[in-house]
Amino acid sequence: EVQLVESGGGLVQPGGSLRLSCATSGFTFSGYDMLWVRQAPGKGLEWVSSIDTSDDTFYAVSVRGRFTVSRENAKSSLYLQMNNLGVGDTAVYFCARGGPWSSSSLPEFWGQGILVTVSS
Amino acid sequence: QSVLTQPPSASGTPGQRVTISCSGSSSNVGSHAVNWYLQLPGTAPKLLIHSTNQRPSGVPDRFSGSKSATSASLAISGLQSEDEADYYCAAWDAGLDGYVFGSGTKVTVL
Repeated sequence: EVQLVESGGGLVQPGGSLRLSCATSGFTFSGYDMLWVRQAPGKGLEWVSSIDTSDDTFYAVSVRGRFTVSRENAKSSLYLQMNNLGVGDTAVYFCARGGPWSSSSLPEFWGQGILVTVSS
Repeated sequence: QSVLTQPPSASGTPGQRVTISCSGSSSNVGSHAVNWYLQLPGTAPKLLIHSTNQRPSGVPDRFSGSKSATSASLAISGLQSEDEADYYCAAWDAGLDGYVFGSGTKVTVL
């Protein structure tokens, strides 16, 4: 069974930093692209970042230069380092595994999400 | 404002057919596969359709996806009360060099 469990969320002041982790199991982690998707309170889904199996990284314009995605295949884990956080970054952050389809690496499986609140 | 436009709401009575549109452009829906997700309140999204029209195992055949030019659609036939949820489309956008999600559609079963 595929499982993804996020951790590291919480309350942080504007301008602060936070590092999210996503522990995975039930699949060969190194063989899949991984993604972070967030959802602000009462809003829709927003893609944040992706990292492919070659460690190439991609970022939404809204977080480029502030967030860094990384993976540790030996630990089957995904990370998101978030710096210079603003109130607009307040959201539930979902870790997701990309699909095995040739057509795209959009999410196939999702974690339960972790809340990040940026407030003074 | 989302790159992919969906109607904010849709509704139907049990047994009816409901269709949700996802309007994009040549850089996303028009040239890349579309996925559809269902999200119940307070839970993580769940994959409904991948590669524009493929159902993962376990998803009822009441759900179907299609695409024409720069617009994709999700159809729910034989609407059931448990289909009440938010639905999102998603695709790669070559112009933005990233994934984009639709604005979301809340489906209500009357």
